[in-house]
Amino acid sequence: KNQVEQSPQSLIILEGKNCTLQCNYTVSPFSNLRWYKQDTGRGPVSLTIMTFSENTKSNGRYTATLDADTKQSSLHITASQLSDSASYICVVTRNFGNEKLTFGTGTRLTIIP
Amino acid sequence: DTEVTQTPKHLVMGMTNKKSLKCEQHMGHRAMYWYKQKAKKPPELMFVYSYEKLSINESVPSRFSPECPNSSLLNLHLHALQPEDSALYLCASSQGEALPYEQYFGPGTRLTVT
Repeated sequence: KNQVEQSPQSLIILEGKNCTLQCNYTVSPFSNLRWYKQDTGRGPVSLTIMTFSENTKSNGRYTATLDADTKQSSLHITASQLSDSASYICVVTRNFGNEKLTFGTGTRLTIIP
Repeated sequence: DTEVTQTPKHLVMGMTNKKSLKCEQHMGHRAMYWYKQKAKKPPELMFVYSYEKLSINESVPSRFSPECPNSSLLNLHLHALQPEDSALYLCASSQGEALPYEQYFGPGTRLTVT
């Protein structure tokens, strides 16, 4: 079954601290993996997109890693800010004729001052 | 302009009403999508339009009827909805269906069915 699992479900950290979110997937055949940030009641905003051959990709304070062999990805946030409070969704694309997105259930991140 | 706009932001409708959700993009994208998102759940794909033709219908009930009048507009017509259809409806667009084209999401329409 094509699934994307994220951990933890929720996370609370102090402003200025770093954190890492995890994503494990069983989607096959793999095409690419994306991390999205979604504020409550808003649409998701893309942070990174990685294909099979990419191990690391950064976007400001966000750094995503991908291990296609173990089917794991992580999103590392450095020097967290209050505005980082949001849900972070891992999305894996299956290359199966039409490209289909499989969404993870997300990690709800709360930054406290 | 890298924005996908959706109207209205909020919609409350009764089960006998007919209403429409609208989505617009001016990025020249040729693929547009409708997603449904329940609280604390990931978005679920409903429909995909590619070059103004319906490409994917994820077995969505007929009370949801999509329409793509032109390459910039996507509508979702609603009729005889149920309370369980209350959700955030997201529109997205991308250059094409194939990857690695990025999907850009709109802010969503919060729909409440009473």
